[in-house]
Amino acid sequence: QKEVEQNSGPLSVPEGAIASLNCTYSDRGSQSFFWYRQYSGKSPELIMFIYSNGDKEDGRFTAQLNKASQYVSLLIRDSQPSDSATYLCAVNPTGGYNKLIFGAGTRLAVHP
Amino acid sequence: NAGVMQNPRHLVRRRGQEARLRCSPMKGHSHVYWYRQLPEEGLKFMVYLQKENIIDESGMPKERFSAEFPKEGPSILRIQQVVRGDSAAYFCASSPPGTGGTDTQYFGPGTRLTVL
Repeated sequence: QKEVEQNSGPLSVPEGAIASLNCTYSDRGSQSFFWYRQYSGKSPELIMFIYSNGDKEDGRFTAQLNKASQYVSLLIRDSQPSDSATYLCAVNPTGGYNKLIFGAGTRLAVHP
Repeated sequence: NAGVMQNPRHLVRRRGQEARLRCSPMKGHSHVYWYRQLPEEGLKFMVYLQKENIIDESGMPKERFSAEFPKEGPSILRIQQVVRGDSAAYFCASSPPGTGGTDTQYFGPGTRLTVL
């Protein structure tokens, strides 16, 4: 079982729709969860982090965390073509100092 | 307000040569991390360093790879006797001093290593 799993996609949504990206993790003791966006050939760019169960909103982005289900999600409202990228879920594992375990990423394609 | 800086951005080496990748963290950051991203794959943690200390090297291959973060100057990821399988993008990230475990990491632009 992979430590952090994401659907590779591509997830295709029309412009203006809500894109929902999901991530599950295996280490129940994980405490910190991050979403990064990576455009092709570029470096990961931090979108959001979440530590507590529930929702956290930042502009068009909402991160949701459910530790009991070991599930993290990212919602993107009013999706734009410029949101088309690979979205990486990252988890700081128990006893892992500060290292991040990344999922393989979900490719999002927003079409006009 | 410079971000994380890495150089070179592209590096070409022949098999058996050495590769040196440099990373300067963001101003005020004292924690440095190295990750590797193979083509079409996710990022894999390699090593976590603070000034003059290797904190976690659990992701480093046992041979040919080493990392340092000296008191002065950038962090260096060194790959000796490179092989074709080392071709990848190597990303450095940094985070500010903190209590540990939850520090947000900011990534540099990466070094694309190609081994011929």
